[in-house]
Amino acid sequence: GENVEQHPSTLSVQEGDSAVIKCTYSDSASNYFPWYKQELGKRPQLIIDIRSNVGEKKDQRIAVTLNKTAKHFSLHITETQPEDSAVYFCAAPLPGYQKVTFGTGTKLQVIP
Amino acid sequence: GAVVSQHPSWVICKSGTSVKIECRSLDFQATTMFWYRQFPKQSLMLMATSNEGSKATYEQGVEKDKFLINHASLTLSTLTVTSAHPEDSSFYICSARSGQGMNTEAFFGQGTRLTVV
Repeated sequence: GENVEQHPSTLSVQEGDSAVIKCTYSDSASNYFPWYKQELGKRPQLIIDIRSNVGEKKDQRIAVTLNKTAKHFSLHITETQPEDSAVYFCAAPLPGYQKVTFGTGTKLQVIP
Repeated sequence: GAVVSQHPSWVICKSGTSVKIECRSLDFQATTMFWYRQFPKQSLMLMATSNEGSKATYEQGVEKDKFLINHASLTLSTLTVTSAHPEDSSFYICSARSGQGMNTEAFFGQGTRLTVV
């Protein structure tokens, strides 16, 4: 099965700085890579995803990059704001399988 | 996006009793739903895959007789925690995918905070 590792587990940045979270996966067959944001006590929400036919995708202050050769993908948040503080999860579901395995999560704290 | 509704959002029960949690897809049909458990400051751990009209598939280490899953329709899956104990206290959350393909977004229910006293 797929093994997803996520780093760092915690990340503190000053407001306005950038934050980068990285995930690695084990199965080269994976071709869809979503990122979820979970605020305390709430459900995870998809914030951005990328498919293996592109190397980068951007949506305003959020971007995801994918390196299929190295089997890792990263979430980039620029101009961070306090409301970006949350736990972020990556995932790399295997094609042909419905279930989704999540990374261990990164707690991001944006300091005003 | 698609909507997944989970009920109740929180429940407190006595040790030894059973608790049922419902997960509904409101605007799409979900032949497959997933149940996760999340302990404080930890990731979402998949417990089981709920399949409409057939038995659930449990992850290793999850007791199928303790966590009963029923997926009787295309829009409803239920998780029953039987003979609950304090160590079962956790945040339980369901999810479903709305598309037929594998590369589709997973939508989550609101989650259920279970406290066993």
